[in-house]
Amino acid sequence: AQSVTQLGSHVSVSEGALVLLRCNYSSSVPPYLFWYVQYPNQGLQLLLKYTSAATLVKGINGFEAEFKKSETSFHLTKPSAHMSDAAEYFCAVSAPKAAGNKLTFGGGTRVLVKP
Amino acid sequence: DVKVTQSSRYLVKRTGEKVFLECVQDMDHENMFWYRQDPGLGLRLIYFSYDVKMKEKGDIPEGYSVSREKKERFSLILESASTNQTSMYLCASSLSRAGVGEQFFGPGTRLTVL
Repeated sequence: AQSVTQLGSHVSVSEGALVLLRCNYSSSVPPYLFWYVQYPNQGLQLLLKYTSAATLVKGINGFEAEFKKSETSFHLTKPSAHMSDAAEYFCAVSAPKAAGNKLTFGGGTRVLVKP
Repeated sequence: DVKVTQSSRYLVKRTGEKVFLECVQDMDHENMFWYRQDPGLGLRLIYFSYDVKMKEKGDIPEGYSVSREKKERFSLILESASTNQTSMYLCASSLSRAGVGEQFFGPGTRLTVL
């Protein structure tokens, strides 16, 4: 069984400040991990993914995430927030090679960027 | 690029109506999924399919059914819509069991049941 916990349902950051979104997971097998972003009234778009290669993963729009097995974490960061980063962010874990390759999602973190 | 399309962006139905939500993907993906998204609850899996005519229940299948007659199309059916099914519905697809599980999402259908 897998689960994902995102700490903080809402995060407020100032434009230009660090964005840090926390994600912890549990998985009985080595996981694949994902971060998705959802802009208002749109579907989810993949930001980045971890698939057991490099532990530091770079994604689109300047985001990156680090896989830490000892902490079962996959936190998302961006050094300098932009107004366009205002969105909801979802962390997800998959069960590799399972039928359907289901994803289990966290509850989401909504990011507000203040000018 | 993978494209997942959903038949409607916004839909308003009345209680008791039968509702069909259609999803089509154009990349020959084996797996398709239906989620509902509600504030504070994230995405919850309703049903998924890993092959034509195959379907599996997700976490919240009650009140829903699905149909997958062709590989590219996955339909979600609300047999008798109720107000508690007012939600955002998201369709997704992924390549296959051999893949890493990355899912590609459609734009969503916001369903209101009156």
